[in-house]
Amino acid sequence: AQSVAQPEDQVNVAEGNPLTVKCTYSVSGNPYLFWYVQYPNRGLQFLLKYITGDNLVKGSYGFEAEFNKSQTSFHLKKPSALVSDSALYFCAVRDTGGFKTIFGAGTRLFVKA
Amino acid sequence: NAGVTQTPKFQVLKTGQSMTLQCAQDMNHNSMYWYRQDPGMGLRLIYYSASEGTTDKGEVPNGYNVSRLNKREFSLRLESAAPSQTSVYFCASCVDLKSYGYTFGSGTRLTVV
Repeated sequence: AQSVAQPEDQVNVAEGNPLTVKCTYSVSGNPYLFWYVQYPNRGLQFLLKYITGDNLVKGSYGFEAEFNKSQTSFHLKKPSALVSDSALYFCAVRDTGGFKTIFGAGTRLFVKA
Repeated sequence: NAGVTQTPKFQVLKTGQSMTLQCAQDMNHNSMYWYRQDPGMGLRLIYYSASEGTTDKGEVPNGYNVSRLNKREFSLRLESAAPSQTSVYFCASCVDLKSYGYTFGSGTRLTVV
């Protein structure tokens, strides 16, 4: 069965510092991996995806994520955090043979000015 | 370009009442989904529709029914609401089941008292 774990409920970082939001996954086959962001009272917005190819994936708003097959991880990163990055971030996974996307519980990112 | 539109945005129901949550997308997407979001649990899939005329159960289908009225519209019905169904409900769509990112609606916040 597919599963996604986001081990941190909240991540706090100062503006201008690098940020990392962690995600690990479990699927039976090769994974499709995704990151979404949710701002207050809004739906989720797609940030980036890993399907195949380069392990470092670049997405919207300066975010990137690194796929690590041996560690089954897909951590979200940004070199320099902005206060406006404060939001709820969801990691999601789907195996290449399946049709359902499974979401993690979410990590709240708080960027302090 | 509206994307995915959900109505209503807020609703309060009494236990045992019924209601239908509406979802419509204008992107000509084939696949549509209903998720519920609960604190600490991320998003859980209730039902999905691979294409017009088909529907399938997700992780938590009990207490819900769905209708894929046409390619644009996918409704979620609560026949007899229970307090455990208090949640935020999100509709999402994508080009097809094997496509990558979803487009989400802005959500319906439902409270059952």
